[in-house]
Amino acid sequence: DAGITQSPRHKVTETGTPVTLRCHQTENHRYMYWYRQDPGHGLRLIHYSYGVKDTDKGEVSDGYSVSRSKTEDFLLTLESATSSQTSVYFCAISEGSLTNQPQHFGDGTRLSIL
Amino acid sequence: DQQVKQNSPSLSVQEGRISILNCDYTNSMFDYFLWYKKYPAEGPTFLISISSIKDKNEDGRFTVFLNKSAKHLSLHIVPSQPGDSAVYFCAASDIIQGAQKLVFGQGTRLTINP
Repeated sequence: DAGITQSPRHKVTETGTPVTLRCHQTENHRYMYWYRQDPGHGLRLIHYSYGVKDTDKGEVSDGYSVSRSKTEDFLLTLESATSSQTSVYFCAISEGSLTNQPQHFGDGTRLSIL
Repeated sequence: DQQVKQNSPSLSVQEGRISILNCDYTNSMFDYFLWYKKYPAEGPTFLISISSIKDKNEDGRFTVFLNKSAKHLSLHIVPSQPGDSAVYFCAASDIIQGAQKLVFGQGTRLTINP
């Protein structure tokens, strides 16, 4: 299994509070991704990183920010959580930008915004 | 508009028979396709992939077929086993600004009945 750890695994918080999710990898892969999974939508890309301090937006980036200060850590922050951000969040990693290789996923964080 | 669609939310198959999961896409720029399997409370696990230069890829009980003219791919599982019960996601890959972007279908829940 790819060495990907997401923390926390579960979190319940209130609307308007800041929330930070962490993704830690031990594979030294360059690319890291944050997705959210919602019923009827599959997984959708929020943000991704192509190196330390190098990040860009994905399909559903509004309301989210990310940071990557070290190769192994990729943080997802909800500055002011809303109920629409209740979801399961997955981190993924990949070795390079070539198309013919899969991304590998962590076990997810279930986030509930009340 | 969803670029990758799995039109069957669920599928039920008898143990030992063939399971066929389908996926359609709209973007002709996609050049690499993947299938992921997901158990509850776990992250998606990479199963099998296919490059757009091929029309078939086989790995043990799993075969993926790609029909580029119809923009359609399918996953065949033969024979189906109880452990195959899971949600299956198809995904299509595109390279944007050097990063691999995966676009996922909504998922199909496969149930293998004894």
